[in-house]
Amino acid sequence: KNEVEQSPQNLTAQEGEFITINCSYSVGISALHWLQQHPGGGIVSLFMLSSGKKKHGRLIATINIQEKHSSLHITASHPRDSAVYICAVRPGNQFYFGTGTSLTVIP
Amino acid sequence: EAGVAQSPRYKIIEKRQSVAFWCNPISGHATLYWYQQILGQGPKLLIQFQNNGVVDDSQLPKDRFSAERLKGVDSTLKIQPAKLEDSAVYLCASSLAGQGESYTFGSGTRLTVV
Repeated sequence: KNEVEQSPQNLTAQEGEFITINCSYSVGISALHWLQQHPGGGIVSLFMLSSGKKKHGRLIATINIQEKHSSLHITASHPRDSAVYICAVRPGNQFYFGTGTSLTVIP
Repeated sequence: EAGVAQSPRYKIIEKRQSVAFWCNPISGHATLYWYQQILGQGPKLLIQFQNNGVVDDSQLPKDRFSAERLKGVDSTLKIQPAKLEDSAVYLCASSLAGQGESYTFGSGTRLTVV
C-alpha cells in the first residue's frame, strides 16, 4: 500500500472550471508538498504545508493534519494549468510521493 | 538564484549500453537526491547524499546503477548495462541539510532504452 494516495488519477476540465485534487497519507509527517510536473519532466514546487491553508494566485492548498488529508484547488482553470500534480509528504527529510494527478484543461 | 542543473535533457540508448547523467545542485545545498520516475508513477528515491557521503541507497539497483558525489557538489548517476525497464525520467533534487522547504528539483533527464 502506498503511503500517499491521490485522487483522481486523471482529470479533464473546461477552461474556467474550479478544480480539486485530493491527497491522503498514512504516515506522520512534518510537511506536505504539492508539486507540478510539466510534460518535459521537470518538477516545480507549488506549496509546502504543515497546517492550515496557503494561497498563491489561483492556487489554494489546504491540509487537515488530524484527518491526514490535503487538497489542491485551482480556481478559474486555464489550459496552461495542464500538468501532473504530485502530492509528497515528508516524515523527516525523505519524501514519499503520490502517483500524481494528470490534469488537462480544455479551451 | 540558479536552479538544479541536469544534463542531458534527453537520452536514447540501446539495451546493454551504458549511460551517465550529471547533476549540479543549488550552491550550498548539502543534500542531493536522485529519483527515478517511471511513466505514470511517482518518483522513487534511488540514492541520497549528504555532502559526499551516502545517506540512503537502499532502493538503488547496485548491480547496474552507481552514483557518486566525490567533492560533495555535483553528482553523476550511471547505469551499466541498461535494460528496457530503465526507461524513465531521472530527477535530481537538492536541499539545505534538514530543511525540506528548500527542496528543489531539476528538470530531469528522460532516458529511453530501446
